[in-house]
Amino acid sequence: NAGVTQTPKFRVLKTGQSMTLLCAQDMNHEYMYWYRQDPGMGLRLIHYSVGEGTTAKGEVPDGYNVSRLKKQNFLLGLESAAPSQTSVYFCASRSGGPNTGELFFGEGSRLTVL
Amino acid sequence: SQKIEQNSEALNIQEGKTATLTCNYTNYSPAYLQWYRQDPGRGPVFLLLIRENEKEKRKERLKVTFDTTLKQSLFHITASQPADSATYLCALARDYQTGANNLFFGTGTRLTVIP
Repeated sequence: NAGVTQTPKFRVLKTGQSMTLLCAQDMNHEYMYWYRQDPGMGLRLIHYSVGEGTTAKGEVPDGYNVSRLKKQNFLLGLESAAPSQTSVYFCASRSGGPNTGELFFGEGSRLTVL
Repeated sequence: SQKIEQNSEALNIQEGKTATLTCNYTNYSPAYLQWYRQDPGRGPVFLLLIRENEKEKRKERLKVTFDTTLKQSLFHITASQPADSATYLCALARDYQTGANNLFFGTGTRLTVIP
């Protein structure tokens, strides 16, 4: 009963390096989300997807790209990491439909950019 | 844009008492409001959802109220226990009939229940 799985859990990058965070869900959910969580800021939406092959920008999309090639996977990419991207990243998913609002979160990926 | 405020960063209460957490929002009224629990180093976990046409929702020792006139939700934990110690997040969804119905989160209130 995996739910939402994020890899890696921890990563340290140097400024300018690139990396990809992987989110996988086994609940056949339509909607997937990437949030970042910073002290005093709460969870902020980076990008989201309403289905396979679709992506859209959230509140804070700059510096990030995403892809949803398979329904179960949602990838978050940093092309050129900056110290401001040091954060804890959470992936979440939910099933489709107007009355199904509950989000299922992964355990988070802690990224440090030096 | 929507602003979501949770009453305080931290709240300490004695075991057995009722904890009351506040979530205030500005601008538009959300289609529904949710509460999540987050433990240190873990992802948020869904607790309760209340819709705009509902006044109150209960689940075991948890109760949520929703006042669209005051633009406020109250989250109560009755007979609190040390195991209830965590950060509690409120989240608002704008419109569940269209789009992705994205959730916007408050910064959370860290609750500590003292034995």
